[in-house]
Order: sequence, then C-alpha cells, then structure tokens
Amino acid sequence: DGGITQSPKYLFRKEGQNVTLSCEQNLNHDAMYWYRQDPGQGLRLIYYSQIVNDFQKGDIAEGYSVSREKKESFPLTVTSAQKNPTAFYLCASSMPAESMNTEAFFGQGTRLTVV
Amino acid sequence: RKEVEQDPGPFNVPEGATVAFNCTYSNSASQSFFWYRQDCRKEPKLLMSVYSSGNEDGRFTAQLNRASQYISLLIRDSKLSDSATYLCVVVMDTGRRALTFGSGTRLQVQP
Repeated sequence: DGGITQSPKYLFRKEGQNVTLSCEQNLNHDAMYWYRQDPGQGLRLIYYSQIVNDFQKGDIAEGYSVSREKKESFPLTVTSAQKNPTAFYLCASSMPAESMNTEAFFGQGTRLTVV
Repeated sequence: RKEVEQDPGPFNVPEGATVAFNCTYSNSASQSFFWYRQDCRKEPKLLMSVYSSGNEDGRFTAQLNRASQYISLLIRDSKLSDSATYLCVVVMDTGRRALTFGSGTRLQVQP
C-alpha cells in the first residue's frame, strides 16, 4: 500500500540532545514538508522540499535541520538550539505545487517530549 | 496579518444543524484551496478541494470567492461524527509553494 510513514510515534529525549525524526513515502511525490503543531494550534511550516537535494526554510526553521538525499525520505533533526521542542511533528508529501493536484498526505505524526 | 485566518471556534451545534466556516487568505497569488479535517491527536486528512465554481460532496459544500479572498465550508445535517477541527489550506502560485494552513476551526456537534 502507498503511504507516508513517520517513526517513531512517541519520542522522549533529554534537553540538550539532538534527535532525528524519520519520514518515508512511497507515493512517488516530489514535494515533502515538515510541520509542527502545538496544543490547540494550527500547523506551522518548518521546512519543505520540492525536489531531491533541495529544501527551503519555512516559518519556524530555527533550531531544525533537514536533508533530502532521496525522493522517498525527508528526515528532520531537532537540535539543541530549538528552545521549545516539545510538540507534535507532522510530515506530509504531495505532488509539486505546479501540478494540478497538490493534495497533501500526512504521516501519523511523532509526538516529541523533551524532559 | 496571518496568511490564512480562521475563526478558532469552538462551534457548538446540535445534531442536524447546518454550520458554516469561513477562511480568509491574504495572498492574491494563491492558487489552490483545500479543507482538511483533523481529529483529536491525529493527522489531518483531506476533506475536499475547493474549486472556483464551488463544489459539493454529500452534506459538504465548499465555495471560493477570489474577489474577497475567502473560502467557505458548509456542513448540512450535522452528525456527531463531524466533530473535529477543520483546517483551511492554501497553496500559493508564486514564491513559497508550500501548503499554508489556517489555525483551524473546532466543531462540536452535540446530541
């Protein structure tokens, strides 16, 4: 079955540690996105990538880093520089914005708790 | 000003009621529009795309008004299962071509 997979579902880390969240898709989508959601809030864009080996900062990129070495994979690293990392992280993929259909498919999300 | 704005609600309505949500967007270069539904502690899922001519899917009707830069979602005959947060999503035509989400409108349908 085609889909987008995030792992792990729950993640606990100590303050000051870097942590990498995995996102893999087999939908053959060119575009991938990382969003952060805080309780009672909407989704805020962290980073996005429209094509392999290229990515752009979103609204809240500080303290995060990404890579896009393969079309299927878009891992997100939450670094120790991120002041408030505890949140629900959502990865999504879609066809490029230039295409007729830009419906985004989401992974199930990773709940990161930093203690 | 936020790029995509929604009334956060909550909208508390009885079963069978008709409820409407609006969403305004600030960038006139916006190209594509969607409504997503998000259940508590779950990922968002596409409810429907919004087309210029308006479109309907069962009890749900979406409208786009480019001149006033807003989209709307109408839910008729509300069901308990419609209780969720509804997210307005916009894709720009130029510049940052990423999905931009509104903060969502929470709907609670009561028996």
